[in-house]
Amino acid sequence: GENVEQHPSTLSVQEGDSAVIKCTYSDSASNYFPWYKQELGKRPQLIIDIRSNVGEKKDQRIAVTLNKTAKHFSLHITETQPEDSAVYFCAPAVGGTSYGKLTFGQGTILTVHP
Amino acid sequence: GAVVSQHPSWVICKSGTSVKIECRSLDFQATTMFWYRQFPKQSLMLMATSNEGSKATYEQGVEKDKFLINHASLTLSTLTVTSAHPEDSSFYICSASWRGGRAGELFFGEGSRLTVL
Repeated sequence: GENVEQHPSTLSVQEGDSAVIKCTYSDSASNYFPWYKQELGKRPQLIIDIRSNVGEKKDQRIAVTLNKTAKHFSLHITETQPEDSAVYFCAPAVGGTSYGKLTFGQGTILTVHP
Repeated sequence: GAVVSQHPSWVICKSGTSVKIECRSLDFQATTMFWYRQFPKQSLMLMATSNEGSKATYEQGVEKDKFLINHASLTLSTLTVTSAHPEDSSFYICSASWRGGRAGELFFGEGSRLTVL
C-alpha cells in the first residue's frame, strides 16, 4: 500500500508570510495529488489538486508543485491569513479503477498569527 | 458541486448498543463510497470501500463483523457500529466518487461524531 509522510506536523507563521508543507509518497503509480483543508469538527475540503502530467498548479494564493521523480509534492500558501489556520492533509492516490481511494498523510496543523 | 449528506451529525450511545450512520449522495449516483474514521488530532483512516450491490472491502485491521456496511443503492450507504464500546468513539466520515467525476475526486459527507459511554 501507499506510505505517506507529511512534514512539518505543525507550522506557525505570521500573517502575510508564506507556508510550505511537503508530502512524500511511496507508490510510483500514484497519479493524483490533492491537498485538503480541515477545520475543527468539519469535513475535509479539497483546496487544490494536481495530476501527474503537470509539475505545478496555482490558484490565487495556493499552489502545488509535484516532483514525480523524487515522489513528493508540496503545498504553498502565500500571503497567509488567520482564516488559513486549519489542519492540512495530503492524500496521494492512484486514479483509474480505484476512483477516490485516498491515503491521507498525518496532517499539518497550520497556525497563522495576526 | 456534488453534495453528500451524512447523518446523524452526532450521536451518543451506551456501551453495547448499535449505531447506524447514513451517507447519501444527493445529486449524483455514487459509484463507490468510502468510510473513514478519524480519532482526535489524527488523520483520516480508511475503513472500507463499498460499491453498490456488492460486499464492502475492508482495510486491514478493521473488523467487518463489527462495522457493517451496506450499499443498497447508488445514493445510499450505511455504516452500523455493532456492540459499540468507548474505544469506538470517533469521527466517522463518508465520501463518494462517481464515474463522471475526475479520477480520484471525492465528495465528503459532513461527518458523524460518535460518543460511546
